[in-house]
Amino acid sequence: GAVVSQHPSRVICKSGTSVKIECRSLDFQATTMFWYRQFPKQSLMLMATSNEGSKATYEQGVEKDKFLINHASLTLSTLTVTSAHPEDSSFYICSARVSSFYGYTFGSGTRLTVV
Amino acid sequence: GENVEQHPSTLSVQEGDSAVIKCTYSDSASNYFPWYKQELGKGPQLIIDIRSNVGEKKDQRIAVTLNKTAKHFSLHITETQPEDSAVYFCAASKSSNQFYFGTGTSLTVIP
Repeated sequence: GAVVSQHPSRVICKSGTSVKIECRSLDFQATTMFWYRQFPKQSLMLMATSNEGSKATYEQGVEKDKFLINHASLTLSTLTVTSAHPEDSSFYICSARVSSFYGYTFGSGTRLTVV
Repeated sequence: GENVEQHPSTLSVQEGDSAVIKCTYSDSASNYFPWYKQELGKGPQLIIDIRSNVGEKKDQRIAVTLNKTAKHFSLHITETQPEDSAVYFCAASKSSNQFYFGTGTSLTVIP
């Protein structure tokens, strides 16, 4: 089945630094990928929609300059948290729509801790 | 936009009993309803889904029912096992770029 590989699974960084999270579709081409943020014991909140070869579409309230999304190929989307602060600590999850099907496959998530 | 409500937020059942989680949605145009299981520290995994042209779907111990008129759908897990313990999310979608999650149900199966 369709697999989305997300790395790293855990990352700890210092305040003010930037962190890049990668999301790869391993056995299918993903023209659209989605980035979610999840706080403890809460649901997934859509941050942005990443479209291959074009700019990402951000949800209201999400800072474009802080959460940089790049979808340069049909199998890779990256989320870069710039100038990270402790309040950016969260669980970030990517997902991809399997072509011609409504089903979504999720990555395994990245636990970001900013100290 | 779409509003998906999910109940209960927590559910404890004895091993072997059934568990039922219910979701309602607001947008009658939604036509795809997946259910996801999320274990601690992991991403959600699709366990079953249903489309609006079907009223019920079953896969072994898991079943989903959909009532389009009432705009609600439910997840049924029979013969629960400890490994079923996880957080379950329902979702509703009417296009590939509009995907709304419920608030989640933490299921605990007591051995």
